[in-house]
Amino acid sequence: GQQVMQIPQYQHVQEGEDFTTYCNSSTTLSNIQWYKQRPGGHPVFLIQLVKSGEVKKQKRLTFQFGEAKKNSSLHITATQTTDVGTYFCAVLNTNAGKSTFGDGTTLTVKP
Amino acid sequence: DAGITQSPRHKVTETGTPVTLRCHQTENHRYMYWYRQDPGHGLRLIHYSYGVKDTDKGEVSDGYSVSRSKTEDFLLTLESATSSQTSVYFCAISESPAAGELFFGEGSRLTVL
Repeated sequence: GQQVMQIPQYQHVQEGEDFTTYCNSSTTLSNIQWYKQRPGGHPVFLIQLVKSGEVKKQKRLTFQFGEAKKNSSLHITATQTTDVGTYFCAVLNTNAGKSTFGDGTTLTVKP
Repeated sequence: DAGITQSPRHKVTETGTPVTLRCHQTENHRYMYWYRQDPGHGLRLIHYSYGVKDTDKGEVSDGYSVSRSKTEDFLLTLESATSSQTSVYFCAISESPAAGELFFGEGSRLTVL
């Protein structure tokens, strides 16, 4: 399956600061998904991007899919304590219906 | 939240014993998955099912077997548990590959001593 690398592994920010996590691949991706997992919780789907250069926003969250479809980013503007958790990118194999996940970026927010 | 129930939610067992984790869904989704989550490794697919009695291996299937005799139930069995199988196990469901979104259960924490 397609492999994706996420950076950074951990990010500590002061409340109000911005946060960005990156998902990179050596091969062209057909799509990219993003999930959020709160501490002690389960992953929850945020969004799926499929088009080259696509940008989608959900309130303070901005998701981008690179022009070459080899990378993606999730940017959070003015973080809040409710943003804490681990953010995963994933690639969906639409033929088999399997998603391959990155290792995640864990965000902590200091009030 | 999607209707997914995992049981047991927590289990402590000894090396060499068999363990079965159950995932039950009320959404009538065709696709079901078992993932394990370990620190630093994200979520790794163990096995998945694309219909009753139709299953296939994921990337870390060694030491695990699955069964799906009904649409709503997907069982994960560790025939002889080892300490390396200590992990949090998540069941997920999906309506179809085209739908994309996975809905996850609450997880089952397994400790093998």
